[in-house]
Amino acid sequence: ETGVTQSPTHLIKTRGQQVTLRCSSQSGHNTVSWYQQALGQGPQFIFQYYREEENGRGNFPPRFSGLQFPNYSSELNVNALELDDSALYLCASSLSGTTDSPLHFGNGTRLTVT
Amino acid sequence: AQSVSQHNHHVILSEAASLELGCNYSYGGTVNLFWYVQYPGQHLQLLLKYFSGDPLVKGIKGFEAEFIKSKFSFNLRKPSVQWSDTAEYFCAVILSGGYNKLIFGAGTRLAVHP
Repeated sequence: ETGVTQSPTHLIKTRGQQVTLRCSSQSGHNTVSWYQQALGQGPQFIFQYYREEENGRGNFPPRFSGLQFPNYSSELNVNALELDDSALYLCASSLSGTTDSPLHFGNGTRLTVT
Repeated sequence: AQSVSQHNHHVILSEAASLELGCNYSYGGTVNLFWYVQYPGQHLQLLLKYFSGDPLVKGIKGFEAEFIKSKFSFNLRKPSVQWSDTAEYFCAVILSGGYNKLIFGAGTRLAVHP
């Protein structure tokens, strides 16, 4: 089975720009979650998508938005980038959105905002 | 707000030493508990999980963890570490009955010297 794949692996953007990160979920998984991992910290939950709808969101501003497509792949969009948005962005997929369904993580996209 | 605390940010051990990594969470309700591991250059992988039942759970690669409800703790242990255990370890909780939102600790970076 193919795992969770994310693209690109690295990205450099300028403050104020917009960025789109992509994620392909593991085969058979219908739920995708996004996490932000700043340097020296644990991942923080951004939001979760289940069957193309957002069904949970963490403490992130509206300029963080997402999409899930019919094939369950997903995008994370960040508008008006700030320096503090520099982080590793992790995508995770699961068989369902319930708490008994383990998350499978991708390798992440490292975003640097200058 | 719910949180997860990992007591040690960096741990250095020699091969064959015993390991115990501390994890405490703050939430009075029912939780599901996890330990994830991130080897250098790799994605986060599930080491073990606790949902219910026997509070002593065994995971992959000889790791185990004990859930002590009265102490809100879920410490990770391994009797004898190997050089290949060098990695970053994250404790995480999910509030049972909700959606699949993992709350992570800040992580413990383990270095095992031959």
